[in-house]
Amino acid sequence: EIVLTQSPGTLSLSPGERATLSCRASQSVSSSYLAWYQQKPGQAPRLLIYGASSRATGIPDRFSGSGSGTDFTLTISRLEPEDFAVYYCQQYGSHGYTFGQGTKLEIK
Amino acid sequence: QVQLVQSGAEVKKPGASVKVSCKASGYTFTSYGISWVRQAPGQGLEWMGWISAYNGNTNYAQKLQGRVTMTTDTSTSTAYMELRSLRSDDTAVYYCARGEDYYDSSDYWGQGTLVTVSS
Repeated sequence: EIVLTQSPGTLSLSPGERATLSCRASQSVSSSYLAWYQQKPGQAPRLLIYGASSRATGIPDRFSGSGSGTDFTLTISRLEPEDFAVYYCQQYGSHGYTFGQGTKLEIK
Repeated sequence: QVQLVQSGAEVKKPGASVKVSCKASGYTFTSYGISWVRQAPGQGLEWMGWISAYNGNTNYAQKLQGRVTMTTDTSTSTAYMELRSLRSDDTAVYYCARGEDYYDSSDYWGQGTLVTVSS
């Protein structure tokens, strides 16, 4: 099973700032089968990024994904108030899907 | 518009079984698969497995092998997830989510079904 480790656990920033979230895999993720999801309290997850760097339908361009192999990054260029939430990475390549433990993005 | 509507909350005793449904609309059901993901209270997301709505092929998380069964009914565009021999640590919100095939992210999600296991 591929283990995904997200860092930091919690990120405290202000609206307008840039957020950089990391996701590291225990082994290489096949063909960049890496996604990022946003989850707000009481809601289902929302797909932001798939294939490591492709934005899902309707996702603002302030969200971007990058990386390959074992190291992946989600960047939010300028934080809006609605961006404060928990973010999960997920690999869906091999040996079953796995999720990272999540990064909580909170208002500073 | 694409919608996945799940069945309502359940309360079960340890050792019992639960079956959660996920009714799809707004797309061709058999052109996609359905993943099931659960989230224990205050915890992260855990993938449970995936089923193809086209041919019924399944892929289950190793941890749940033998306790989980996923099925689909193409006549009603509904997916089902049954979990048996329930334990207290199965208490969670269970989500269904759509993906085009096994190697795909999940672009639409159901609203979640809370399953509580308690004596």
